[in-house]
Amino acid sequence: DVKVTQSSRYLVKRTGEKVFLECVQDMDHENMFWYRQDPGLGLRLIYFSYDVKMKEKGDIPEGYSVSREKKERFSLILESASTNQTSMYLCASSLGRGNTEAFFGQGTRLTVV
Amino acid sequence: GENVEQHPSTLSVQEGDSAVIKCTYSDSASNYFPWYKQELGKRPQLIIDIRSNVGEKKDQRIAVTLNKTAKHFSLHITETQPEDSAVYFCAAKKTGAGSYQLTFGKGTKLSVIP
Repeated sequence: DVKVTQSSRYLVKRTGEKVFLECVQDMDHENMFWYRQDPGLGLRLIYFSYDVKMKEKGDIPEGYSVSREKKERFSLILESASTNQTSMYLCASSLGRGNTEAFFGQGTRLTVV
Repeated sequence: GENVEQHPSTLSVQEGDSAVIKCTYSDSASNYFPWYKQELGKRPQLIIDIRSNVGEKKDQRIAVTLNKTAKHFSLHITETQPEDSAVYFCAAKKTGAGSYQLTFGKGTKLSVIP
């Protein structure tokens, strides 16, 4: 059974804190993604990575950074959390460059107060 | 980049009726079109996908159609059941150098009324 696991289901952080969201996949997938999900806005891509140490900006990268030191792990970093970053964050992974299914984690509900 | 528009944003149907969700895409190079279902509080999961060399694909009560000329594709759910209630996302992707990510529509919240 394929698995994408996010380290936290719920997080509450204070404005200005540095926040780490962790994602691990056990499928040996090359590609990993971080999406943000907000009502009425769908799934918006923040950053993705197609290989270890490689990263690419998505549609809304401002205020975020990422790290991929190992193939199975992809971290999303909020350098200085702000209230407008309160959202549901979804990690996903997929295999290679072809047209293959993306598998999602269970999501992290982040609240910045 | 790719832009995917999805309509309607909300849809209510009576149990047993059919539901249709429509998406359009902008990049004619896109050639893979998956649909994801997200039940309340759960992760999105792939329910069906179609590739550009196919016009229609069916899986039991679910079907997807693709019109490459018009750059639109649709999800059809027949004989809807309460467990079909969820948010549905369409997406588009192309293959080739630098093409790794899906572009999603904004989602359709489907409510099936018993």
